[in-house]
Amino acid sequence: DTAVSQTPKYLVTQMGNDKSIKCEQNLGHDTMYWYKQDSKKFLKIMFSYNNKELIINETVPNRFSPKSPDKAHLNLHINSLELGDSAVYFCASSPLGGRKTQYFGPGTRLLVL
Amino acid sequence: GENVEQHPSTLSVQEGDSAVIKCTYSDSASNYFPWYKQELGKRPQLIIDIRSNVGEKKDQRIAVTLNKTAKHFSLHITETQPEDSAVYFCAASQSDTDKLIFGTGTRLQVFP
Repeated sequence: DTAVSQTPKYLVTQMGNDKSIKCEQNLGHDTMYWYKQDSKKFLKIMFSYNNKELIINETVPNRFSPKSPDKAHLNLHINSLELGDSAVYFCASSPLGGRKTQYFGPGTRLLVL
Repeated sequence: GENVEQHPSTLSVQEGDSAVIKCTYSDSASNYFPWYKQELGKRPQLIIDIRSNVGEKKDQRIAVTLNKTAKHFSLHITETQPEDSAVYFCAASQSDTDKLIFGTGTRLQVFP
């Protein structure tokens, strides 16, 4: 299937733990993103990478660290999880250059207890 | 930085009626305005977009209009159907950046 995929789909964990979410796209896109969607459905960009290079880094706590081993993968590692990190995290990708459609992954629902 | 406001937050219509969702943006340099539809528990998906060199774009029952002077753009859905029920997001960005700033979303419910 041609798509943006994420694993895991659900993640339930305790406060203080460290967890990772993986994202892969096989669309041949150069740009990948992480978004956070909170309980009120607000969609906010966190990071974007162009060809493994960090381009956008919004005011996100440094407990969140993206890693792009190659242009088809963008993983998100979160240290010392807090209750407020509970949200749905979406990965997305797009072709290089502005004003291009962004294709979203299915989302990872993170619940921190 | 860019700020996008979206209204209404919820919208209920009868099947067959039209629905209009409005967004305003703050940065006059923004020139790309996509609309995404997110069904319950699913990912956001692009339904239509407009660039600042045009004032209107249509795709079957969906149309988007853009007023650059007033810095607002709107989504129009005609002949609504129950499957149009979802959360709709507007967004804005500039041509030299991939950064999309999303509106706060509109939950549309279409009653049969």
